[in-house]
Amino acid sequence: DAGVTQSPTHLIKTRGQQVTLRCSPKSGHDTVSWYQQALGQGPQFIFQYYEEEERQRGNFPDRFSGHQFPNYSSELNVNALWLGDSALYLCASSLGSTGGPGKTQYFGPGTRLLVL
Amino acid sequence: AQSVTQLGSHVSVSEGALVLLRCNYSSSVPPYLFWYVQYPNQGLQLLLKYTSAATLVKGINGFEAEFKKSETSFHLTKPSAHMSDAAEYFCAVSNQAGTALIFGKGTTLSVSS
Repeated sequence: DAGVTQSPTHLIKTRGQQVTLRCSPKSGHDTVSWYQQALGQGPQFIFQYYEEEERQRGNFPDRFSGHQFPNYSSELNVNALWLGDSALYLCASSLGSTGGPGKTQYFGPGTRLLVL
Repeated sequence: AQSVTQLGSHVSVSEGALVLLRCNYSSSVPPYLFWYVQYPNQGLQLLLKYTSAATLVKGINGFEAEFKKSETSFHLTKPSAHMSDAAEYFCAVSNQAGTALIFGKGTTLSVSS
């Protein structure tokens, strides 16, 4: 059973550039959430996608955008990168139609982004 | 709004000793609480979760946590630490819609021989 996969594993960009991160959910899952984990901090919720639409968004600027495809995979796009965007970006998948607030989110290994 | 506070950013124990990692929550509604573990350079793995079915929750790798409403706590314990338990541990609470997890800042567990 394939778990959550993310690509690439590492990425180096310079300030002002744009980046796209990719995520494939766990088999059978239809919901993808993205989190940002700065060094030494807990993950912070960016947004969640379900049925190809953004269902909820955390406190992140519009520079952060996403997309979900019909096969449930997802992309996170960040424009106009600045130094503070350096972090581990985690993707999590879950089953959106059941479970309510107690449903489990399964995390991928993350993409480590360094902005110079 | 929901939140969690993890007391102690770093906990050190000897192999075979009791592990106690503290988490206190704030929630205006009955909370759904989670403990995740993160090994170096890896993503998060679910240890256990509380969804109001039972106050004592058993998880993987010998960990358990007890939900105490009167103390607004959900502390994680393991009777006997193993070297392989060294990792970062995160307590989290679900938002009411079930769409987002709100994490604490994490506790680094070190285990010495």
